[in-house]
Amino acid sequence: GESVGLHLPTLSVQEGDNSIINCAYSNSASDYFIWYKQESGKGPQFIIDIRSNMDKRQGQRVTVLLNKTVKHLSLQIAATQPGDSAVYFCAESTGNQFYFGTGTSLTVIP
Amino acid sequence: NAGVMQNPRHLVRRRGQEARLRCSPMKGHSHVYWYRQLPEEGLKFMVYLQKENIIDESGMPKERFSAEFPKEGPSILRIQQVVRGDSAAYFCASSPGAGVNQPQHFGDGTRLSIL
Repeated sequence: GESVGLHLPTLSVQEGDNSIINCAYSNSASDYFIWYKQESGKGPQFIIDIRSNMDKRQGQRVTVLLNKTVKHLSLQIAATQPGDSAVYFCAESTGNQFYFGTGTSLTVIP
Repeated sequence: NAGVMQNPRHLVRRRGQEARLRCSPMKGHSHVYWYRQLPEEGLKFMVYLQKENIIDESGMPKERFSAEFPKEGPSILRIQQVVRGDSAAYFCASSPGAGVNQPQHFGDGTRLSIL
């Protein structure tokens, strides 16, 4: 199967700081990527997506960066809030199905 | 996760029984995906369905597992003769149109426990 992995399994940040969550993917043919947030007891919630013809996309307080050269994806969260505490997954797709990483647990310290 | 409805939220079965998990996609969505998640792990793709068709079942175990998405009613993931290893959270996602390259919206899952 495909390999989608995250560099850091856990991340703790102070409230108000910026967070950066990283993801490596192995399939150079992947052309669509999504970041999901999963809170305890709930399903994954869509945050932001990016297609391979872009290298940056911004949403509300979030930015996704895609570096196809090194097959690396990152999620930046500005002014992290306690409500941002969750597990964050990246997912990649070649058009057939999605492959999810293990996840990074983000803890925001008040 | 508004829109994708899964039930039951929790399901307890004894070994050898059958488990039926239901998923109603978001309104207007005709594509359904099932995933399995073990504790501390990511989601593993199981099956992709459109109305009355299985498009990709490459992630489904060869035995005991089946899925359907009938013309009317919810999608059903069925596990026959459950074993302890089937204990997991099962998530359903839906998307509006053809192809995988668009956001999938998830339900809150069914947590299956096998005694």
